[in-house]
Amino acid sequence: ILNVEQSPQSLHVQEGDSTNFTCSFPSSNFYALHWYRWETAKSPEALFVMTLNGDEKKKGRISATLNTKEGYSYLYIKGSQPEDSATYLCAFRANTGNQFYFGTGTSLTVIP
Amino acid sequence: GAVVSQHPSWVICKSGTSVKIECRSLDFQATTMFWYRQFPKQSLMLMATSNEGSKATYEQGVEKDKFLINHASLTLSTLTVTSAHPEDSSFYICSARDQVTLGYTFGSGTRLTVV
Repeated sequence: ILNVEQSPQSLHVQEGDSTNFTCSFPSSNFYALHWYRWETAKSPEALFVMTLNGDEKKKGRISATLNTKEGYSYLYIKGSQPEDSATYLCAFRANTGNQFYFGTGTSLTVIP
Repeated sequence: GAVVSQHPSWVICKSGTSVKIECRSLDFQATTMFWYRQFPKQSLMLMATSNEGSKATYEQGVEKDKFLINHASLTLSTLTVTSAHPEDSSFYICSARDQVTLGYTFGSGTRLTVV
């Protein structure tokens, strides 16, 4: 079982604050790193699929970076809004199969 | 966008009974579907991979006779928890791989409580 870790486990921020969290994954056999946004009782929503070392992707106020050599990815949210409240999951895919290895998620609460 | 419908969203059953969870891809065909479960404060863990028309591949430690997976069509996969026990209480979620785009779409999950 590959180890994928996310930190922090939970986070409370004020509306308007910017925040970031980390996903750590194995630096070998890398194929892709996925970020998902998951609201309670809904399906995880795909945010980013990152494949290249040094990649940076952006979707509105959310962006992500990738370092495959050291095995980490950061997710940034600029100017957090209450609707950003959700659990943010990362998932590592190795080049040895289709399996996703998930972190335990970071639960974000944005306080109005 | 791609949608996977998963039912039921929650179920409570008595110990010893069987429960069926269904995942259906609504607007795409999925040759491969994945079943995960999540225990409290743990990450989603892959249980099995099902391919349409063939037997599912189970991860180590997952009992294939207890967790029956059927993937009889390109849009439907079912997971049946047979003779459920309280320790099977968990959150179960499926993911379907679009055979055209190769993208992955998750269902919304099923919370199973066995009493």
